[in-house]
Formats: sequence, structure tokens, C-alpha cells
Amino acid sequence: QKEVEQDPGPLSVPEGAIVSLNCTYSNSAFQYFMWYRQYSRKGPELLMYTYSSGNKEDGRFTAQVDKSSKYISLFIRDSQPSDSATYLCAMMTTDSWGKFQFGAGTQVVVTP
Amino acid sequence: NAGVTQTPKFQVLKTGQSMTLQCAQDMNHEYMSWYRQDPGMGLRLIHYSVGAGITDQGEVPNGYNVSRSTTEDFPLRLLSAAPSQTSVYFCASSYSSGGTEQYFGPGTRLTVT
Repeated sequence: QKEVEQDPGPLSVPEGAIVSLNCTYSNSAFQYFMWYRQYSRKGPELLMYTYSSGNKEDGRFTAQVDKSSKYISLFIRDSQPSDSATYLCAMMTTDSWGKFQFGAGTQVVVTP
Repeated sequence: NAGVTQTPKFQVLKTGQSMTLQCAQDMNHEYMSWYRQDPGMGLRLIHYSVGAGITDQGEVPNGYNVSRSTTEDFPLRLLSAAPSQTSVYFCASSYSSGGTEQYFGPGTRLTVT
């Protein structure tokens, strides 16, 4: 079983809707939680990063971490066609710095 | 800054051939890493380096070698290519101290026949 699980989608939403993405994990030692966006045939780019638990907001993006449930979420408000991409979660422990564990990625399609 | 650059963009190898995937960064990042990305598997860490002269294995290191003689370059060598190594390879870099923001290169698409 993989340490980080993520539904591959695709997740199709109309423009303007809220996109809700999540990952579950099994390693309770994960402390760093990241969300990356990857456009087709491009390298991933970091969207949000959270240390330990709680919420973080950046513009239309909100990241949440629930360590008790081993569950993280990314919400995209007022979605745009330009948000169509694959979103990957990534996690890391503090004593294995540099060893990032990625989810498989969820493909999101925002239709005009 | 060019950021993270990777060459070649595409490569076709025959089984048993060897080759080196090049990765360079001009951001003076101490941390560099190599991932492979396969459908349904996400990004899997192959090898990483926390500074010149220091490398360590990731999740899927078998069949790959790395070395880090300079801060800027982190080449990945395939010793004897196998069809199972058909994948998209990404190089990434970040600052070492709390460097959770990794900058990824554009990737190398490798096919082994």
C-alpha cells in the first residue's frame, strides 16, 4: 500500500465552481504537506505548503491539514479554465528531509 | 535565471544501452533530486543530493547512478537501460534549509525499446 493515496480523477467542474481535492496518508510522521500543479507535458510547480496542521490561504487557494484523520485538502475557489491541470500532493517527515512522497495526482478539468 | 534545465527533452534507447540525463540549475540550490513519473504512480524519488559530493538513494534507485561534483549539475546515469525504465524523468532543486519549495525542470521523456 502506498503511503500517500490520491484519487486520479478526472474531476470535471464548470467554470466558477469550487474544486475540492484531497489526499490521505498512512505515515503519522509526515509534517510537511505540499500541493503542486502540473500542466500537461510540464514540470510540477509548487502551489501551497503547510507545516504540521491547520489551514493556509493564498488567493483562490486554501490548503487544509487534518493530522488526526491523516487527510489533507486543497480547495480552489472561482475555478477558471486555466486551473485545468493535474494536482499532486506531496509530504515529508522532519527526519527524512529531502525524501518527498508524492500522491499519484488528480486531473482537474474546468469547463467554460 | 534559466532555473532548472534538463537535456535531452526526448530520448529513445535500446535495451542494454547506457546514457546520462543531464540536469543543471543556476539558483545556487544545495538540494537536487531526480524523480520518475509513470501513469497512476505519481512522482517517485530516484536519488537526491543535499550538496556537492553528497548523494543518497530515494524510493526507486535500482538501475540508476548519480554523482554531484558541482553545486550546479546533477546527472543521472542509466547503466543498462530496460523497458521498465520507460518514463518521464524530472530533475528538481531547492534551498537546503527548510527548502520545501522544489523547482522542477521540464522533464526528459525516455522510451526504452
